[in-house]
Amino acid sequence: DAKTTQPNSMESNEEEPVHLPCNHSTISGTDYIHWYRQLPSQGPEYVIHGLTSNVNNRMASLAIAEDRKSSTLILHRATLRDAAVYYCILKGGNEKLTFGTGTRLTIIP
Amino acid sequence: NAGVTQTPKFQVLKTGQSMTLQCAQDMNHEYMSWYRQDPGMGLRLIHYSVGAGITDQGEVPNGYNVSRSTTEDFPLRLLSAAPSQTSVYFCASSYSGRGLQETQYFGPGTRLLVL
Repeated sequence: DAKTTQPNSMESNEEEPVHLPCNHSTISGTDYIHWYRQLPSQGPEYVIHGLTSNVNNRMASLAIAEDRKSSTLILHRATLRDAAVYYCILKGGNEKLTFGTGTRLTIIP
Repeated sequence: NAGVTQTPKFQVLKTGQSMTLQCAQDMNHEYMSWYRQDPGMGLRLIHYSVGAGITDQGEVPNGYNVSRSTTEDFPLRLLSAAPSQTSVYFCASSYSGRGLQETQYFGPGTRLLVL
């Protein structure tokens, strides 16, 4: 499975936008980019996914580089409830999701 | 829908004891999986199943058994618990597992402490 690289931790002020980066330089042409987050003491939950074009949903936006070697999860207005570990995962043709250590996002009130 | 449910929420075992962690889903998903998460680490895949009667090993299968007799249930068995199996265990499911756009749904987790 192709690997992803994320910063270990990030901080952001409440009510400001947050940009969470992910590098995936060995991504294959058919891999989808998925983001999950894990709130404290909970199981991971789906956030967003995309292939080539930028994607928006009610939780976040996903900006994908033109060469697909990196992507950025954007939380437009962070709240305290967005404090979590965010995982960037490549989904290929097999069934498995491979989790790295993710980025721990801290929101400062 | 209840989604993915796990029981128990918390369990303490002594070394050498056996137990079964229960996982059930009511979404008619074919794919189910078990992960473990150790402190400060990401999730590691233990076993997975692509349908009733079919199971396969993930990244860290040693010390664990699984079976899939129904679509809904996917229990994880610890045959002889060891302190190294102290962890938080998550069960997950998705429609088939193979879809590139499929979302996985996770249960709330079972915290296991082996003394």
